[in-house]
Amino acid sequence: DTAVSQTPKYLVTQMGNDKSIKCEQNLGHDTMYWYKQDSKKFLKIMFSYNNKELIINETVPNRFSPKSPDKAHLNLHINSLELGDSAVYFCASSRGLDEKLFFGSGTQLSVL
Amino acid sequence: DQQVKQNSPSLSVQEGRISILNCDYTNSMFDYFLWYKKYPAEGPTFLISISSIKDKNEDGRFTVFLNKSAKHLSLHIVPSQPGDSAVYFCAAKEISGSRLTFGEGTQLTVNP
Repeated sequence: DTAVSQTPKYLVTQMGNDKSIKCEQNLGHDTMYWYKQDSKKFLKIMFSYNNKELIINETVPNRFSPKSPDKAHLNLHINSLELGDSAVYFCASSRGLDEKLFFGSGTQLSVL
Repeated sequence: DQQVKQNSPSLSVQEGRISILNCDYTNSMFDYFLWYKKYPAEGPTFLISISSIKDKNEDGRFTVFLNKSAKHLSLHIVPSQPGDSAVYFCAAKEISGSRLTFGEGTQLTVNP
């Protein structure tokens, strides 16, 4: 009964590949997010969707494309993976634009 | 340009003593502040928050203090317990914004 679940937990891939990370929340929240935790440990927002509408799109390369098929899901597709994409990616959700986020357990992406 | 900074990457305290985690910010438009706790291999979880109209908020063993003039907040944990050992993230939000800006985290270790 995990509130925010993301898969896979670990993802090891070669440069140039395309990969997806899936996220689902069963909290009934309207807003979902993708955060990236880089090597310096900062958590930085990448995207936010509210009711399936994109509301935050930080300066992220357009190789990253979020897709929200419904309010409970926000997937992240990454094209042409680069070494610098290696990081931990966290999905999160909140009730509306509430500050209290509920995070998934993260996906450790390693690009070789 | 990191608007939220936690200058201590780590802190070690004895069980039963007080833990004080510090956070500084530069953006005067921030009006809501939060602390998140993160265990290894898990996502951050919300711990406590404070609005800029207050200077203190208490929840059990956890108290957050806000000094707006100094653009500084701190989290006090007393008494500290070994189970409090985790990474603590400070986060802030602007008055009219919906995104959270996170600090880089402080690893707290509470020794038995």
